[in-house]
Amino acid sequence: GENVEQHPSTLSVQEGDSAVIKCTYSDSASNYFPWYKQELGKRPQLIIDIRSNVGEKKDQRIAVTLNKTAKHFSLHITETQPEDSAVYFCAEGTFNKFYFGSGTKLNVKP
Amino acid sequence: GAVVSQHPSWVICKSGTSVKIECRSLDFQATTMFWYRQFPKQSLMLMATSNEGSKATYEQGVEKDKFLINHASLTLSTLTVTSAHPEDSSFYICSARRTGTFHEQYFGPGTRLTVT
Repeated sequence: GENVEQHPSTLSVQEGDSAVIKCTYSDSASNYFPWYKQELGKRPQLIIDIRSNVGEKKDQRIAVTLNKTAKHFSLHITETQPEDSAVYFCAEGTFNKFYFGSGTKLNVKP
Repeated sequence: GAVVSQHPSWVICKSGTSVKIECRSLDFQATTMFWYRQFPKQSLMLMATSNEGSKATYEQGVEKDKFLINHASLTLSTLTVTSAHPEDSSFYICSARRTGTFHEQYFGPGTRLTVT
């Protein structure tokens, strides 16, 4: 943990387009990778997570992929809507604790 | 379920004084709670892991004597910022993990601390 890079820092897309946010990490022991959404002035909310024994997980318009060999994982949001606008944080670590990426501010333009 | 509260939501204190922030899990028991610090438009920085009935585990670079953590019950953890300085001004946010589970953390609404 403690060393996760997240890109891009800001992302602007048109409503209906897809958005992809990528994170890379360095700790081979990391086995848990959650994604949190934080709207302005609100607390972070878990939107999806993936464990190291799974390569992909999908929940409606949201999907996460994990490449353990390359040590990177990504969040994919399809058919974006204005209410998807928020800051998204990836995190990596173990079930015991995890560390957050620097965040991506997603702006979905109507 | 899984509601976490923090008190106060915001506080202003003078340099040199101490301030206590409470984190409560309202509808579940939390053996483990976490304290984070978030600067404006930045990420959540893990400060420490708070375990009920035992000493907190601090992350590297976090002064344990400055940020005192007490987790005296399964529903309450407190963070005391001692001898506060203006550079301690920040947004402090806690999270709680439901006892018996191993991953999802439920976040509190945060506490805005301003030290003058």
